[in-house]
This record gives sequence, structure tokens and C-alpha cells, in this order.
Amino acid sequence: DADVTQTPRNRITKTGKRIMLECSQTKGHDRMYWYRQDPGLGLQLIYYSFDVKDINKGEISDGYSVSRQAQAKFSLSLESAIPNQTALYFCATQGRIQETQYFGPGTRLLVL
Amino acid sequence: QQPVQSPQAVILREGEDAVINCSSSKALYSVHWYRQKHGEAPVFLMILLKGGEQKGHEKISASFNEKKQQSSLYLTASQLSYSGTYFCGTRWGLLGAGGTSYGKLTFGQGTILTVHP
Repeated sequence: DADVTQTPRNRITKTGKRIMLECSQTKGHDRMYWYRQDPGLGLQLIYYSFDVKDINKGEISDGYSVSRQAQAKFSLSLESAIPNQTALYFCATQGRIQETQYFGPGTRLLVL
Repeated sequence: QQPVQSPQAVILREGEDAVINCSSSKALYSVHWYRQKHGEAPVFLMILLKGGEQKGHEKISASFNEKKQQSSLYLTASQLSYSGTYFCGTRWGLLGAGGTSYGKLTFGQGTILTVHP
């Protein structure tokens, strides 16, 4: 079983709709991250959380919100989706003393 | 600030070597290298911490020059399986209590490596 899972894997939605992307992990890691990937732009950090009570904005947080429901779950919401939020979204986890980040399989989002 | 990777793309034949560079304008604590196959998640290759050490992973190795704030990834005798996009991630975080880094990763824009038979 995968250590970091994301649901859904693919999603098509319309402009103005609210959607939620979910991330779950079984690695027991404290730190979780949400990234967005656009072609040619690499990975851009949206939000990150170092524990359940700690939420931080990343480089491109406008238009997004997050919720850390438990150590193992970190959700990303688009309150009112717009077409330029069409992208590949990755969740990642990291241990407290570990440098390595482990990525989920990604969610491909298309906003029409 | 996003680190800068060069070159943006490399095309090789099997058995050839390549170097990918990652430069930062800020002092670095660590540099991370990841490889991503098309449509898949990035996969961790290696990490280099302050100290200028060189690390290896099969025929892929990397170095970290603190003074130049630069890291280089070396791929020798390339194989078809090396094809993908390579990202460096840089961390500027300070050491916290117990020696733990708290800084977040900032990724470069990626280098597309294509290996042909």
C-alpha cells in the first residue's frame, strides 16, 4: 500500500465551484505540504503544516485554503475554482528530524 | 527565492554523461535532488547538507559548494531509465533545537533529461 495517498487522482470542475483535494499518509510524519506543478515552473509551495496546530502559507496561497484534520490528513480546498488553477497538485510528507520529503501520486485538476 | 537550474534540457545517448547545476542567491543549509517521470510523483534521489560533501547513488552523484551556493548533479554512463525531469530543492532553514532544520524547500524549475538508445 502507498504511504502517501491523494484523492481524487483526476478531477474536472467548473469555474466558481468549491472543491477539496485530500491527502492521507501512513508514514507517521508530522510535516505535510501541498505543492502545485505547472509545466516549466517546477513545484510551487501552496501551504505547509508542521503539526496539527501549525498551518503556514507558502508562495502561492491566494485562492486556496487547507485543513489539517489529524496528523495523517491534510486537505486542500479551492473555495471558488478558476481556470488558472488548472494544474497538477502534489501532497508531500516529511518526518520531524528527516530532511527527505515523500510525495503522493498527485491530483490532476482541470477547471473549465 | 527560487533556485536556478541549468541547463533547462539535455538530450543524451545511452552511455553519455551529463551535469545539472542548481544555483541559489541565498546561503543554503541543504540541497535536495529529485527525479520525476512524466505524470508521476517526484522521487527523492539524494540530499547534501552543509559541509561540501559529495554523495553517490549508483551512477548518479552530486556535490555541494557552500561558497558558491551551488550544487551539481552528475549522471555518468546514462541509461534509458534516467530520462525524466530533475529538480533541485533548496533549504535555508536554521538548525533548531536538537539539530532539526525547520526551513521549507524551494524547488528549481527543473531540467528535462532525455536519454536515447
